[in-house]
Amino acid sequence: DTGVSQDPRHKITKRGQNVTFRCDPISEHNRLYWYRQTLGQGPEFLTYFQNEAQLEKSRLLSDRFSAERPKGSFSTLEIQRTEQGDSAMYLCASSADYFAADIQYFGAGTRLSVL
Amino acid sequence: GDSVTQMEGPVTLSEEAFLTINCTYTATGYPSLFWYVQYPGEGLQLLLKATKADDKGSNKGFEATYRKETTSFHLEKGSVQVSDSAVYFCALSDPGNQFYFGTGTSLTVIP
Repeated sequence: DTGVSQDPRHKITKRGQNVTFRCDPISEHNRLYWYRQTLGQGPEFLTYFQNEAQLEKSRLLSDRFSAERPKGSFSTLEIQRTEQGDSAMYLCASSADYFAADIQYFGAGTRLSVL
Repeated sequence: GDSVTQMEGPVTLSEEAFLTINCTYTATGYPSLFWYVQYPGEGLQLLLKATKADDKGSNKGFEATYRKETTSFHLEKGSVQVSDSAVYFCALSDPGNQFYFGTGTSLTVIP
């Protein structure tokens, strides 16, 4: 399968713990996006990378959220000191800026439950 | 800021009925417009797109026309099938490559 892969698919954690999610984009895609989706809502843009550069991070929800893409391939999203309000689906998407840059391919998401 | 407003669901139709899901947008520039679909248990996937005014996107019998004068991008299909049951999201991307999604409209098609 050469689609966008996210790991883990489900994460249950206790309030106050740190969590990290991984996203592996389609291999030839140089853009990578993170979104949050809560029940009954559409995806909410968080941040995106072009190669290893994080081009937009002002919409990360708080300073507890951070993302990295150190080698321009996979990316991680970390949430520190989780709160119950962080419970949501976290989606990753990728695209290629050399061809149809605005067409994003989404992963299946990581569902986070904060107890 | 930029935003997308789409018709609330859920929508239930009989097979072969005509479908319209309304979507309007607010944008300061000239966005590209999209419809994404999420089938049960699957990730979002692009259904169709339009990049400039009067463009019509089409795929799998679905169509939507980019209307700048009414800031709309309504999704239509002439004859829905049970397999079209899914959640449909309208979205825009701004020139800065940020994306904004609507809240989604759930469609159920009954035989």
